[in-house]
Amino acid sequence: GQNIDQPTEMTATEGAIVQINCTYQTSGFNGLFWYQQHAGEAPTFLSYNVLDGLEEKGRFSSFLSRSKGYSYLLLKELQMKDSASYLCAVPQSGGSYIPTFGRGTSLIVHP
Amino acid sequence: DTGVSQNPRHKITKRGQNVTFRCDPISEHNRLYWYRQTLGQGPEFLTYFQNEAQLEKSRLLSDRFSAERPKGSFSTLEIQRTEQGDSAMYLCASSLHANTGELFFGEGSRLTVL
Repeated sequence: GQNIDQPTEMTATEGAIVQINCTYQTSGFNGLFWYQQHAGEAPTFLSYNVLDGLEEKGRFSSFLSRSKGYSYLLLKELQMKDSASYLCAVPQSGGSYIPTFGRGTSLIVHP
Repeated sequence: DTGVSQNPRHKITKRGQNVTFRCDPISEHNRLYWYRQTLGQGPEFLTYFQNEAQLEKSRLLSDRFSAERPKGSFSTLEIQRTEQGDSAMYLCASSLHANTGELFFGEGSRLTVL
């Protein structure tokens, strides 16, 4: 099975940079997803990493190290609207690829 | 395409009653998932369909829960004899591809069991 760990809560200042970490354990690696979820809304896809390294997409970047079982989501030039929960998810091995989610990191951006 | 649609959005019921939720996925998506989410937690997997076939169910899913996807399009999730512990947000998601496919979530159906 999977074990996914991420911090429960983080706070940051508008305009700053924040890094949200995720560590995982899985018997067979099939990539790693990051989702954003605003309070009371559905999760929305941010990124998918399957190879080591950093992938940049605008203000958001995602990094993966398969050997360390580690990923992070980097948010630059923080805006108030970035206040949300950030969910790390890893597809199950064995062919189903069903994503297993971590508990999410609640990010609070203050002025 | 309007995305994944779920209804009802909110349901309040008394303990012991049955409830049913419906999910209409994105039309060309053959994979459909049900998750449950409680406050401060990530989505917890319940069950998964590929077309009309229910291929996997969580071990956490009690026999009071049943899901169907009769024609490989919409799906229903029924909870029988509801308990207060069933109170949660029930999320439906669909995807087109397997291992690399992002999930598209509906807005969820919030269940409150009194």
